[in-house]
Amino acid sequence: AQSVTQPDIHITVSEGASLELRCNYSYGATPYLFWYVQSPGQGLQLLLKYFSGDTLVQGIKGFEAEFKRSQSSFNLRKPSVHWSDAAEYFCAVGVAGGGADGLTFGKGTHLIIQP
Amino acid sequence: ETGVTQSPTHLIKTRGQQVTLRCSSQSGHNTVSWYQQALGQGPQFIFQYYREEENGRGNFPPRFSGLQFPNYSSELNVNALELDDSALYLCASTQDKGYYGYTFGSGTRLTVV
Repeated sequence: AQSVTQPDIHITVSEGASLELRCNYSYGATPYLFWYVQSPGQGLQLLLKYFSGDTLVQGIKGFEAEFKRSQSSFNLRKPSVHWSDAAEYFCAVGVAGGGADGLTFGKGTHLIIQP
Repeated sequence: ETGVTQSPTHLIKTRGQQVTLRCSSQSGHNTVSWYQQALGQGPQFIFQYYREEENGRGNFPPRFSGLQFPNYSSELNVNALELDDSALYLCASTQDKGYYGYTFGSGTRLTVV
């Protein structure tokens, strides 16, 4: 079965600084990988996804992520964070070929932005 | 284009009771999935409905059941509520079973006392 590890429960970054959120996955074949963001009291919003091809994926709100098969990682990055980026971030993995097994999510990383 | 709407937004139930949560899928979507998100955790897959049939299920007991209607809206039913069922329940819809197109609702916060 697939699994996702987000090693950092909380991360604090100053506004304007760069950001990297870590995600490691465990899955035997080529995974489908996702990053979602959740603001308090809200559902999940998709930031970006990787299925195949170029290992550097661009998403919304200036986020990008890089798939590294050798490290089983899919880290999320942003060059300059804004106060509005404060939220909970979830990495997720899915089985290639269908959705009947659903997505497996990590426990999330809580991002705090310092002024 | 309307998104995914869930109702109610909050509710409180007593242990042992039954609850029904509702989800209206995004226009054009024929697949609905349900997730449970406990406090401080990531969402966990409960099950998925495609064209009114369950076509995938996570590690949840049979007291978690669901329905999908001809208009592709869906219900999640939980019987014999336990305290650990307290969570945010998220509904996601997509087209033709693929979670690559998921749109999530804002969720229903269930508290079991």
